[in-house]
Amino acid sequence: SQQGEEDPQALSIQEGENATMNCSYKTSINNLQWYRQNSGRGLVHLILIRSNEREKHSGRLRVTLDTSKKSSSLLITASRAADTASYFCATDNTGFQKLVFGTGTRLLVSP
Amino acid sequence: DTGVSQNPRHKITKRGQNVTFRCDPISEHNRLYWYRQTLGQGPEFLTYFQNEAQLEKSRLLSDRFSAERPKGSFSTLEIQRTEQGDSAMYLCASSPDAGLARQNEQFFGPGTRLTVL
Repeated sequence: SQQGEEDPQALSIQEGENATMNCSYKTSINNLQWYRQNSGRGLVHLILIRSNEREKHSGRLRVTLDTSKKSSSLLITASRAADTASYFCATDNTGFQKLVFGTGTRLLVSP
Repeated sequence: DTGVSQNPRHKITKRGQNVTFRCDPISEHNRLYWYRQTLGQGPEFLTYFQNEAQLEKSRLLSDRFSAERPKGSFSTLEIQRTEQGDSAMYLCASSPDAGLARQNEQFFGPGTRLTVL
């Protein structure tokens, strides 16, 4: 079963704009991770945020985590056409990295 | 580092046939995972190995499914008496053992797409 749900399900923007995706989950977690999936490269890990962290940055990515609301957001700044992909949040609540994925957000970045 | 590899990349079979998929993880990774992904959904956890020991199996993994990792290196996933509902992408991932850097990141293979006719 899916742990989380991403919102929106689909997002279409122009190059240079920012893209924000949200993830909600149901149970307490050890960490939350974001992955990107496209047909060319499969599933790729983007960033991990631990349950005791509130914000994390990696390049053009910014992730926030609100454990009281059981939610996370992923912000991609200055988007590029190459960012076109599906983005999934995944939670680890077992400690051995059994990931429970959300339903994904399909992002389309147009030149 | 050649990454996680999976074979075959595509498999078409008739209902009732048995199929076997192979996963070769990144060589120094002790942890290996299998997931299943259907169209429009996120991956769903199937099973997990720490070295050669299978430590957890999802309820999704019916008796028709079996996974092995005999020498703690490559792994196989076998589906017996396939059903049309087994059609999906089967993903393998590996990760380093505890104590190593980036231990919580999973590295995914390209997947094996199974179509059951």
